[in-house]
Formats: sequence, structure tokens, C-alpha cells
Amino acid sequence: EVQLVESGGGLVQPGGSLRLSCAASGFTFSSYWMSWVRQAPGKGLEWVANIKQDGSEKYYVDSVKGRFTISRDNAKNSLYLQMNSLRAEDTAVYYCARGGGNGYPYFDYWGQGTLVTVSS
Amino acid sequence: DIQMTQSPSSVSASVGDRVTITCRASQGISSWLAWYQQKPGKAPKLLIYAASSLQSGVPSRFSGSGSGTDFTLTISSLQPEDFATYYCQQANSFPPLFGGGTKVEIK
Repeated sequence: EVQLVESGGGLVQPGGSLRLSCAASGFTFSSYWMSWVRQAPGKGLEWVANIKQDGSEKYYVDSVKGRFTISRDNAKNSLYLQMNSLRAEDTAVYYCARGGGNGYPYFDYWGQGTLVTVSS
Repeated sequence: DIQMTQSPSSVSASVGDRVTITCRASQGISSWLAWYQQKPGKAPKLLIYAASSLQSGVPSRFSGSGSGTDFTLTISSLQPEDFATYYCQQANSFPPLFGGGTKVEIK
């Protein structure tokens, strides 16, 4: 069974940093593009970033470029999102999702999400 | 960027009704479109990919159609567990944008 479990969310002040993690199991993690998708409270879905199977390609939505960094550790079956210089508008539930890259541009499995709240 | 516009933003329907949701792309995306279902407090779930292909395990009352710029998600006979918000997503080009969502509510 495919499972994606996010962790690392919480309350952080504007300008602060947070690192999200996503533990994957039930599939060959190193064979898939992986993505982060977020959802602000009461709002729709927004793709944030994705990363190729070997980590050689990474892409970001314009609003987080230069502040967020996506990475992965295939030996640990884990995906990460380092978030720096956080702003109030980054407040959202962050989902880890399988897919969203070349070859399979859909998100076929999602984690339960982790809430990030940016507030003073 | 390719913008995705869903309509209606909400629809009230009864169990057994046929429900149709529309998604329009700002430019042609061939059949590179997906539909997701999201229930309150839960993660989205992939229902349809490549405009009309049913994801494994999804009931056959869900169907998708369309190509180019106009797409449709149809629920042939609405069930109690189908009350949720539905999103389309274009997968033709970077970035993979979602539509604004359509909330299916109980009438």
C-alpha cells in the first residue's frame, strides 16, 4: 500500500524557517517524480515544487522561488521542503504527492498534509 | 501560464441526480487533464487522468470527457459519499495549475 506521511509543520513567525518531511512507503520511491502541493485555509490547491527521480531537476512556483528548496533522499525514501523567509501568505496545509513531473504529470497519491501557520 | 476555470463554483444536488462540472483551459491542453475529489479535512484523491481515464478503484459513475480547452466531469448518479469539492488540473505544461474548485452540496 502506498503511503505518504508528512511531518514538520507548525507555527512560525514571519521571516522564520521550517523544514517539512515526507516519508514514503509501499512503492519504489526512487522511480517517481515527487511534489509538494499546498492549500491555504478555505482556498484551492496550489502546486509548490517538484523534483525529478534523481534530484537533478527541481521546479518551483514563482511565489516561493529563492525561499523554498525541495530535496529528496532516495536511500531514506524521504522528500523534504526547506522553507525560509516565511510569509503570512505561506500559511497552508502542505501535501506531499507522488507524480507531477515528466512522464506522469498527475498526482496519484497524496499524504494527509501538515499545517504550516506563519504568524506573529 | 495556462489558467483553468471551473464552473459552477458550487452546485446543489440530490442523491441519484446526474451532476456535470465543467473546466475550461485558457489555451489548448490536448487531453492533459485530471480531476480530483476532496472531502473536508482530507487530502485530494485522483479520480480521472488524461481527461477520460478512470483511476483504479474509482467507481464507474464518474466519467470525464473533452479535449483541447473544454472538459467535463460527470457523476451519473450522485451518492451520499460524493458530496465533496472537485478540482481539475492541467498537466500539459509547467506549472501544473488547478482550477478553483466546484463544491457539490446536498440539496
